[in-house]
Amino acid sequence: NAGVTQTPKFRILKIGQSMTLQCTQDMNHNYMYWYRQDPGMGLKLIYYSVGAGITDKGEVPNGYNVSRSTTEDFPLRLELAAPSQTSVYFCASRLGGDQPQHFGDGTRLSIL
Amino acid sequence: DAKTTQPPSMDCAEGRAANLPCNHSTISGNEYVYWYRQIHSQGPQYIIHGLKNNETNEMASLIITEDRKSSTLILPHATLRDTAVYYCIVRPRGAGNNRKLIWGLGTSLAVNP
Repeated sequence: NAGVTQTPKFRILKIGQSMTLQCTQDMNHNYMYWYRQDPGMGLKLIYYSVGAGITDKGEVPNGYNVSRSTTEDFPLRLELAAPSQTSVYFCASRLGGDQPQHFGDGTRLSIL
Repeated sequence: DAKTTQPPSMDCAEGRAANLPCNHSTISGNEYVYWYRQIHSQGPQYIIHGLKNNETNEMASLIITEDRKSSTLILPHATLRDTAVYYCIVRPRGAGNNRKLIWGLGTSLAVNP
């Protein structure tokens, strides 16, 4: 199993541009999550999904959108990039019950 | 929502046990305690979790106090590769509680040769 795969690993955007961060998992996990981590800080939950077709907001959803059309994929969309969205983005998945989250390696995004 | 308190940093000598404390005094009966670690800026790595009983796996041991208000992660023989930020998380049971996952600043553990 590859686990949780995130692409791209690095990206530089200009203010106002849009992009999609990709996340896919091959563990047939029901739950998927998007976090952002600013330097020296803990993770903040952006959006999460409890299954295909179901998404919900986390702690910091403004400026982002998600979709979950399949069990495997959970893309995160930035529509109008702003400097405040410069961060490291982590995707995670979890089977359910008391099972832990499994994380991808992250996408490092800079908005200039 | 239960939150956790951890010391910002700790040091440990290589080969010795590392004992990382976590306070979660507002934890409720249906909340699990999870430990993750993050090496450099990699994605967090799951270590261990528990509800009431002490737990042990190939990576670490988790000791939860009887009142569940605190816990300790034990790395029995720390190596240089254990240098990382360690996060203690409490997570309520139930799908509707996913938004209540709160990650603090963790403990930065330095294992010294």
